[in-house]
Amino acid sequence: ETGVTQTPRHLVMGMTNKKSLKCEQHLGHNAMYWYKQSAKKPLELMFVYSLEERVENNSVPSRFSPECPNSSHLFLHLHTLQPEDSALYLCASSHALAGGLYNEQFFGPGTRLTVL
Amino acid sequence: AQSVTQLDSQVPVFEEAPVELRCNYSSSVSVYLFWYVQYPNQGLQLLLKYLSGSTLVKGINGFEAEFNKSQTSFHLRKPSVHISDTAEYFCAVNSNTGKLIFGQGTTLQVKP
Repeated sequence: ETGVTQTPRHLVMGMTNKKSLKCEQHLGHNAMYWYKQSAKKPLELMFVYSLEERVENNSVPSRFSPECPNSSHLFLHLHTLQPEDSALYLCASSHALAGGLYNEQFFGPGTRLTVL
Repeated sequence: AQSVTQLDSQVPVFEEAPVELRCNYSSSVSVYLFWYVQYPNQGLQLLLKYLSGSTLVKGINGFEAEFNKSQTSFHLRKPSVHISDTAEYFCAVNSNTGKLIFGQGTTLQVKP
């Protein structure tokens, strides 16, 4: 158990549905991340939250909407997705980016998303 | 810009044989380096990390890696693999903005 949990573990949705992915960390970290992992492609960093503020948005389409209500919880709200959005979505957490290089991230098990 | 290249997409090996998974990085600044492992249907788990000091780093499950600054490499090794080591392995470098830059991954297939 990594200390980072994600729900649901599997999600199947149609292109017109609205759903949310949830991530919770129990490690006392104050930075959280969303990654997309597609087959045969490197991990893609989507969003970074540090001290509950979004500090990075890597040109992610607006159909993905993150929310970080506190330092322990991170959501990814999904609407009007496309089949190419099917992937494993990973959440991670770490201590806040303090200008230093050290940034060990702890990952959750991921949500396997299938868009029909 | 920093980048990470994992030179082999798949590495098949027989059980109890040694293995090396190669990783090269490019960076104009000091870096911290990581190896993560991903078992099927799971998230990424940290195997080992290099921050400073000794260039030979030992991690979990009998893995080790050596930081070679002149060759900008951080290859992962294990002297004798088990079936349970079958997984995807990711090399990553910590950028000077604090982000982790991942390689494309290497699939280690351990055969009986």
